Amino acid sequence: QTVVTQEPSFSVSPGGTVTLTCGLSSGSVSTSYYPSWYQQTPGQAPRTLIYSTNTRSSGVPDRFSGSILGNKAALTIAGAQADDESDYYCVLYMGSGISVFGTGTKVTVL
Amino acid sequence: EVQLVETGGGLIQPGGSLRLSCAASGFTVSSNYMTWVRQAPGKGLEWVSVIYRGGSTYYADSVKGRFTISRDNSKNTLYLQMNSLRAEDTAVYYCARVLPAVGPGWWFDPWGQGTLVTVSS
Repeated sequence: QTVVTQEPSFSVSPGGTVTLTCGLSSGSVSTSYYPSWYQQTPGQAPRTLIYSTNTRSSGVPDRFSGSILGNKAALTIAGAQADDESDYYCVLYMGSGISVFGTGTKVTVL
Repeated sequence: EVQLVETGGGLIQPGGSLRLSCAASGFTVSSNYMTWVRQAPGKGLEWVSVIYRGGSTYYADSVKGRFTISRDNSKNTLYLQMNSLRAEDTAVYYCARVLPAVGPGWWFDPWGQGTLVTVSS
């Protein structure tokens, strides 16, 4: 059973920078997993932020960026704003038609 | 405008069946991969199933053998037939279009607004 792990929560000050990570319970995350990132506010559908590791979806501000850091995928929010307060999920493509969501990170801006 | 609208959720008893629909506009369902994702109350997102353009289907282990993904090309609609429902299937169910990456991977966009399925006696 593959588990994709994310930090449960992060707090960031307005204007600050935070980096969320997305790891595997067994093994390293690489670009071959085509990591994507989604933002979700309570009661709303997810919104696509990043796909294929580091490509921003249409309309996503450039303060959001994706990368591989060490053995994990990463989402960095630079210059955090109040409306960045959300839950963030990564997804890894596992092959053979299977995708796995990360456990999600709740970001608080205060 | 590219849009997805899910319907069909509701309250169903354990062991029962329900069919969710996802009507697409602005693009053709049969020309895309399509997926279902669910979210239990207060929990994270969980991938459920995908259907390929050619009709191949794949499922999460948690629903394999109980759920069936399908589509009706004439109605441009995606479906999720859910049988033998359990309390742990209670969730908001989202459909999404699957977009191909450069390579074998993919990502999900757009998403529908979701439909709530509650399995309870």
